[in-house]
Amino acid sequence: QQQVKQSPQSLIVQKGGISIINCAYENTAFDYFPWYQQFPGKGPALLIAIRPDVSEKKEGRFTISFNKSAKQFSLHIMDSQPGDSATYFCAAQGWSSDMRFGAGTRLTVKP
Amino acid sequence: DAGVIQSPRHEVTEMGQEVTLRCKPISGHNSLFWYRQTMMRGLELLIYFNNNVPIDDSGMPEDRFSAKMPNASFSTLKIQPSEPRDSAVYFCASSRVSGGGANEQFFGPGTRLTVL
Repeated sequence: QQQVKQSPQSLIVQKGGISIINCAYENTAFDYFPWYQQFPGKGPALLIAIRPDVSEKKEGRFTISFNKSAKQFSLHIMDSQPGDSATYFCAAQGWSSDMRFGAGTRLTVKP
Repeated sequence: DAGVIQSPRHEVTEMGQEVTLRCKPISGHNSLFWYRQTMMRGLELLIYFNNNVPIDDSGMPEDRFSAKMPNASFSTLKIQPSEPRDSAVYFCASSRVSGGGANEQFFGPGTRLTVL
C-alpha cells in the first residue's frame, strides 16, 4: 500500500527551531496532499493541505512546500513549540483513489 | 457538532472471540473509511464506503474481517475469529466527497483492540 514515503521517522527540535518533515510520492494521479497531526490517544486531525496548482501554502507557523516535478512535498513548522510535539503524517489522494498515508514522523520539541 | 463517534473506545478480548467495532460518521458525510494503526505498519486503510457502498476492500487483511454500512449513519467492522495479531487501534473516518475530488477526512477517537 505504501505509495508515500516519509522521513525522518523521528525528529527532535529545540523550542523556537524549525521542524522539517519530507514526503515523496509515486502516483502522478495524486492531486491532494494533506498533513495530519496526531496526539497520543487521539485520532489524526487535518493540519494543512495543498493541491498541486500551487508550490507553497502557509497557515500560521505551518507551511507546505510542494515540488510537482520532483514529486515531493514537505512540512515546515516555524518557531516550534512543545505543544507541537505529536506524530505527523503526510498523505496523498487522487480524484478517484483512496488516501495513502506516510509512515509518520514523531516530533519532539524540547523546551 | 459531534465528530465521528466510535465505540467501544477500548476492547480486550480473548483469541477466537468475535469483535465488533462501531462507527457513526459525521452527519452529511457520504464517505466512510476504516483504518488500522500499529507501530509496525503505521496507518493502513482497510476498507472504504461511498454512499454506503463498499468501494475498495483490498486492505482487509483476510476473510476474518468484514465491514458493513447498512445506512448513512452507521458502520461496523467485525473480526471473527480474532487473533492476537489483530491487536491495534482501529480508526473510522468520514468525509464529504463532491465532484471536486478528495476532501478532508475527519477521524474518530479510535478503538484500541487487545486480543489476548
